[in-house]
Amino acid sequence: DVKVTQSSRYLVKRTGEKVFLECVQDMDHENMFWYRQDPGLGLRLIYFSYDVKMKEKGDIPEGYSVSREKKERFSLILESASTNQTSMYLCASRGLLGGRYEQYFGPGTRLTVT
Amino acid sequence: AQRVTQPEKLLSVFKGAPVELKCNYSYSGSPELFWYVQYSRQRLQLLLRHISRESIKGFTADLNKGETSFHLKKPFAQEEDSAMYYCALRSNDYKLSFGAGTTVTVRA
Repeated sequence: DVKVTQSSRYLVKRTGEKVFLECVQDMDHENMFWYRQDPGLGLRLIYFSYDVKMKEKGDIPEGYSVSREKKERFSLILESASTNQTSMYLCASRGLLGGRYEQYFGPGTRLTVT
Repeated sequence: AQRVTQPEKLLSVFKGAPVELKCNYSYSGSPELFWYVQYSRQRLQLLLRHISRESIKGFTADLNKGETSFHLKKPFAQEEDSAMYYCALRSNDYKLSFGAGTTVTVRA
């Protein structure tokens, strides 16, 4: 059973703080993703990583950075949090299921920036 | 660039009634389409994909390339179908593009 875990379910931070969101998967997947989920906008890809130390920008990377030092861990970093980064953040990893690739999602971190 | 459109934000149906969630896409290549579901307080999970041509929990979806649509259907909705549904398109090996989502409420 694939497990994708995220370090916090709820997080409250102040404007200007540096924020770290952690994601860990236990299935040795190479590909990992960070999305934000907003009502009326769906899921939007922030960054993804196709292997250790490799990263690529998604559709909305501004204000975010990522780190992938180990295969199982993918971190999302908000260098200076702003109120418009208040959102639900979903991490996912991608691996084979039934001969086809599938993305497995974590439970999400609801971040509030005040 | 690819785009996924789900025109309905909210859909309310009675138990036992048919339900159809609309999804349209734009993509110049050969797309792979998916439906994801998120039940209350649960994580997002794959419901079905067009390549498998399967029925999951009574739901089916047919890819219509002429109309660029991938609508999700179920003939008899159940209360446990109440959830948020996302249509998604995969345009390369890694990235998924999601629609805005449709919240389905099935009333008794």
